[in-house]
Amino acid sequence: QKEVEQDPGPLSVPEGAIVSLNCTYSNSAFQYFMWYRQYSRKGPELLMYTYSSGNKEDGRFTAQVDKSSKYISLFIRDSQPSDSATYLCAMRTGTASKLTFGTGTRLQVTL
Amino acid sequence: DTAVSQTPKYLVTQMGNDKSIKCEQNLGHDTMYWYKQDSKKFLKIMFSYNNKELIINETVPNRFSPKSPDKAHLNLHINSLELGDSAVYFCASGRAGAAYEQYFGPGTRLTVT
Repeated sequence: QKEVEQDPGPLSVPEGAIVSLNCTYSNSAFQYFMWYRQYSRKGPELLMYTYSSGNKEDGRFTAQVDKSSKYISLFIRDSQPSDSATYLCAMRTGTASKLTFGTGTRLQVTL
Repeated sequence: DTAVSQTPKYLVTQMGNDKSIKCEQNLGHDTMYWYKQDSKKFLKIMFSYNNKELIINETVPNRFSPKSPDKAHLNLHINSLELGDSAVYFCASGRAGAAYEQYFGPGTRLTVT
């Protein structure tokens, strides 16, 4: 079993929908939680990061971390076709410099 | 201006050959990484260098040898290429102590035939 699990999708939603992307993990030492977005044939780019539990909002994006359930989410409000990409969650412990990634969820936002 | 660049973008080669991929970053970061992304999009770290010193060396066949001539450059040499080495290899850079924020290059798509 992988340390970080993520539904690969694809997830197809109409423009304007609220999207919920999720990851579960098994390592309770993870303290930093990241969401990266990867467009086709491009490198991943950091969207948001959260330290420990709680919520963080940035424009249309909200990241949530529930450490007690070992569950993290990314919500996208008013989704746009330009949001169509693969979304990768990533995590690290407090001391390690390496990131452990989920397998990514492919999102398609249709007109 | 490209922040993290990699060459080549595409590499098609035969089994048994030796090849190198080069990476350069102009962000002033002191830590650089090599990742492998397989066909299922799973991104896994291979190596990391901090100030030219190897700090992460995951379970990778020793046919893979990274080299960092300076803080801005990280190269990956692969000997005796195998079919299973086909993947996209990403270079990334970041600041020490801020591993949550890594900047990725465009990737090198390696196909071994």
